[in-house]
Amino acid sequence: KAGVTQTPRYLIKTRGQQVTLSCSPISGHRSVSWYQQTPGQGLQFLFEYFSETQRNKGNFPGRFSGRQFSNSRSEMNVSTLELGDSALYLCASSGGLAGYEQYFGPGTRLTVT
Amino acid sequence: AQSVSQHNHHVILSEAASLELGCNYSYGGTVNLFWYVQYPGQHLQLLLKYFSGDPLVKGIKGFEAEFIKSKFSFNLRKPSVQWSDTAEYFCAVKLTSNTGKLIFGQGTTLQVKP
Repeated sequence: KAGVTQTPRYLIKTRGQQVTLSCSPISGHRSVSWYQQTPGQGLQFLFEYFSETQRNKGNFPGRFSGRQFSNSRSEMNVSTLELGDSALYLCASSGGLAGYEQYFGPGTRLTVT
Repeated sequence: AQSVSQHNHHVILSEAASLELGCNYSYGGTVNLFWYVQYPGQHLQLLLKYFSGDPLVKGIKGFEAEFIKSKFSFNLRKPSVQWSDTAEYFCAVKLTSNTGKLIFGQGTTLQVKP
């Protein structure tokens, strides 16, 4: 089974721009979660989608948004980029039920200059 | 708010030494518990998990963890570390409500000297 894939793997943007990151979950997985990883804040939960609906949301500003498509693929968007948005953005997928573990993708390294 | 605390931020051990990494969480309800590992240049991988039942769980690569409910702890152990265990280790908690949200500890960097 193919793992979680994320594209692009690396991205450089300038302040004020917006960016869209993509995540393809493991086949059959219906839940996709997004996390931001930085040296200072560690791993922080952004949001989770299940069957195209946002099921949970972390404490991030409205500039961070996401969506999930009918094939379970998910995208996250960050508008009006700030220097502090530089981070590794991780996507994780799971079967979606309470007892399922999450499998992580390699991440997208976003650098904002 | 729920939180996860990992006691050691940076651990340095020699090969064959025993390892114990502490993890405590703050949540009074039922939880699922996980340890993930991130090897240099690689993505997060699941080491082991606890959902219910035997509080001593065994994972991959000889790792094990013990859930002590009264102490809200889920410590990771390995009897004898290898140089290849050099990595960052994350403890994570998931509330067993209908959500996939994981709350992570700050991580522990383990450096094993050959």
